[in-house]
Amino acid sequence: EILMTQSPAALSVSPGERVTLSCRASQRVTSKLAWYQQKPGQAPRLLIYGASTRATGVPARFSGSGSGTDFTLTINSLQSEDFAVYYCQQHSDWPLTFGGGTKVEI
Amino acid sequence: EVQLLESGGGLVQPGGSLRLACVASGFTFSDSAMTWVRQVPGQGLEWVSTIGADSKNTRYADSVEGRFIISRDNSRNMLYLRMDSLRAEDTAVYYCAKYAFTSARLFDYWGQGTLVTVSS
Repeated sequence: EILMTQSPAALSVSPGERVTLSCRASQRVTSKLAWYQQKPGQAPRLLIYGASTRATGVPARFSGSGSGTDFTLTINSLQSEDFAVYYCQQHSDWPLTFGGGTKVEI
Repeated sequence: EVQLLESGGGLVQPGGSLRLACVASGFTFSDSAMTWVRQVPGQGLEWVSTIGADSKNTRYADSVEGRFIISRDNSRNMLYLRMDSLRAEDTAVYYCAKYAFTSARLFDYWGQGTLVTVSS
């Protein structure tokens, strides 16, 4: 099983700041890494797949990078609606696994 | 508009059974693999099971293998999860989700979830 580790577990930021979230896989997943955003009481929303491709309708301030085992989600100029929990997921091999999440809060 | 709506959750005793259902609309259900993902309230996401578009292929997390069965009815746009021998650790919100792309194991639409509580 590929273990996904996200850091930090939580961070406090202010609107307008740039945020960088990290995700590390215990084995190489090439570029098969997705990022999801989840707000309280809502289902997850796909943001990024293939490590760097934005899903339909995702604002350009969200960007993903990395390959192999180390990945990053960057949010430029954080907006109020971006305060949420972010999860990474490897879509390289079974079982599919998620990171523990990073909570972005004010 | 793609919509996924889960039902069937509730309170069940340890060792009991439950069947979750998910009705899909807004896309060609029979063309899409489908998945169940669960989330303990306040905690992270856990993939549970996936079924191929034609039901020929299924996958399960080790934690539910042998106890849960995923199935689908393409004529009714329905996805199911039969859960037997339920344990306290199965308590979670269960989401159904659709594959974003054929053979891509990631999910672009999710339902709102149904809560399963296993407790005596």
